[in-house]
Amino acid sequence: QQQVKQSPQSLIVQKGGISIINCAYENTAFDYFPWYQQFPGKGPALLIAIRPDVSEKKEGRFTISFNKSAKQFSLHIMDSQPGDSATYFCAAGEEGFKTIFGAGTRLFVKA
Amino acid sequence: NAGVTQTPKFQVLKTGQSMTLQCAQDMNHEYMSWYRQDPGMGLRLIHYSVGAGITDQGEVPNGYNVSRSTTEDFPLRLLSAAPSQTSVYFCASSYRRTDRRSEAFFGQGTRLTVV
Repeated sequence: QQQVKQSPQSLIVQKGGISIINCAYENTAFDYFPWYQQFPGKGPALLIAIRPDVSEKKEGRFTISFNKSAKQFSLHIMDSQPGDSATYFCAAGEEGFKTIFGAGTRLFVKA
Repeated sequence: NAGVTQTPKFQVLKTGQSMTLQCAQDMNHEYMSWYRQDPGMGLRLIHYSVGAGITDQGEVPNGYNVSRSTTEDFPLRLLSAAPSQTSVYFCASSYRRTDRRSEAFFGQGTRLTVV
């Protein structure tokens, strides 16, 4: 049973457009929701994270929207650039670090 | 400051062989974990540790053993390699904080092929 469901599997966006990736979770014990970015041949790296006591967090062009009642959260990449082309993972963690990842979204930004 | 170091980067094993994937971190992080990454499956948690001497199972622990004798090292042992264990393995570490969770730092990965 997949604890963190991520969609879409792949996404193609024009340069300057908005990329949106969605995630849903089941376990209400999750209290930490990070997004990771991974380039080919590299390990994932933290992009942005949110805790469930806020509904939105913005860092530069990246925004997390969080809906606690619906158990959903999403990543918005504004003004998408070719350098943003990568695989993005949402994740959810509970007390004690046990972080579970979504299946990933491969983003391609067309120049 | 090397961060999280995994060795080897590549490995080919024959079915039934055993081996140990090494992971070391120099950031004095309490938490360490092992993930495997397979196409379309994302990163799946194998085992994790909240401190020296303490380990626990993740989502897919079967066929793997871990131990945490020091804060720095968290080796992953494949007991009897199977083709289903062909994957890219990532080790990660992070601090434990009382007020907020710290980011996980990942190693560069070990690409394992079992033939």
